[in-house]
Amino acid sequence: DAGVIQSPRHEVTEMGQEVTLRCKPISGHNSLFWYRQTMMRGLELLIYFNNNVPIDDSGMPEDRFSAKMPNASFSTLKIQPSEPRDSAVYFCASSLVLGILRTGSNTIYFGEGSWLTVV
Amino acid sequence: AQKITQTQPGMFVQEKEAVTLDCTYDTSDPSYGLFWYKQPSSGEMIFLIYQGSYDQQNATEGRYSLNFQKARKSANLVISASQLGDSAMYFCAMRGPNQGAQKLVFGQGTRLTINP
Repeated sequence: DAGVIQSPRHEVTEMGQEVTLRCKPISGHNSLFWYRQTMMRGLELLIYFNNNVPIDDSGMPEDRFSAKMPNASFSTLKIQPSEPRDSAVYFCASSLVLGILRTGSNTIYFGEGSWLTVV
Repeated sequence: AQKITQTQPGMFVQEKEAVTLDCTYDTSDPSYGLFWYKQPSSGEMIFLIYQGSYDQQNATEGRYSLNFQKARKSANLVISASQLGDSAMYFCAMRGPNQGAQKLVFGQGTRLTINP
């Protein structure tokens, strides 16, 4: 089975440009997460969706960041305008959640990440 | 709020030795899940093992086992018979029980280096 698919894998862009990162979750999963990883801050949750609806976007750094999930098989994370401090690895992840979890189970599976460099 | 602490920034272990990576957590929820992920130098995040807070037995997956001590709020990862390919960053993570807390909260990670 295909895992979480992210594109692009690597992107180098100039400051001020718009960046769009794409994600296809695992088929059948109903929760999707966007994480950012940097050396300084580690892994941070930016936003997550459940059944295509944003549930928690408290981790989105500022208005320059936006995320959408128009359907169950596709999500985008957009940065406009980009800044050098946005340079990081952006991970998309997905999970299947059925109702209320008893123990927080249902593994979250990660894509290979999108390595973004803003110069 | 949930919090994960990994106190070992780096560890060096001889090949074939067992290694324990420490993880402590803090939560007020009685129901939660604990996860370990491996991140090799290529960057992907690989799920290793899961432990539920109500699970009576420690989780095991091949050479990986989780030493779950609920009263001490620790969930250490044990890798038996380490291999060179085990060299990577290892992250402990926790997830809450309900829809509002589905997100994984990660520790800072431990960089494990296996020496030949």
